[in-house]
Amino acid sequence: GENVEQHPSTLSVQEGDSAVIKCTYSDSASNYFPWYKQELGKRPQLIIDIRSNVGEKKDQRIAVTLNKTAKHFSLHITETQPEDSAVYFCAQRGGSYIPTFGRGTSLIVHP
Amino acid sequence: KAGVTQTPRYLIKTRGQQVTLSCSPISGHRSVSWYQQTPGQGLQFLFEYFSETQRNKGNFPGRFSGRQFSNSRSEMNVSTLELGDSALYLCASSLSGATNEKLFFGSGTQLSVL
Repeated sequence: GENVEQHPSTLSVQEGDSAVIKCTYSDSASNYFPWYKQELGKRPQLIIDIRSNVGEKKDQRIAVTLNKTAKHFSLHITETQPEDSAVYFCAQRGGSYIPTFGRGTSLIVHP
Repeated sequence: KAGVTQTPRYLIKTRGQQVTLSCSPISGHRSVSWYQQTPGQGLQFLFEYFSETQRNKGNFPGRFSGRQFSNSRSEMNVSTLELGDSALYLCASSLSGATNEKLFFGSGTQLSVL
């Protein structure tokens, strides 16, 4: 089935630094790429998404870029804050209804 | 608007038992999907229901089943529980289940099988 690889599995940064998480997918029919943030013991929450007709999307300190040719997309968080500490999941949907998720990146922001 | 509600929040069962989990979607959402989340396998799709019909199914054994009611509420059942079924079970709702729709997740049911 479709596959999404996510890297790194753990990312440790100092407050104020930028953080970048990358995902690679295999299904060329994928056309929707959401990112979720899951804090410990809480539900995954959509933080940003991008559709295949767009190359970049920004929302304040968060941005997502998509390279359809290379089949990868990335989450960028600037000016990180301790409250950004969480597990981040990428996902893809498209040719098949079934969403496929990356394994998650544990982001730790040190004050 | 109320979010996606899952009950119960925690469950402890023993091997061989069965369990039923409940999910109430956001009002107006007609698609409900279920996921299993474990540290080893991450988030995996179980199945999706729309208008009381199972529309999509992931790669899980037949012990995992579900249904959806006319008010879009959904239940998931796991029979003959195994130790490996211990996981966080999440449901998500969306308006119609289109592939580019946002999914809204519930807080999950943490199932422990002893």
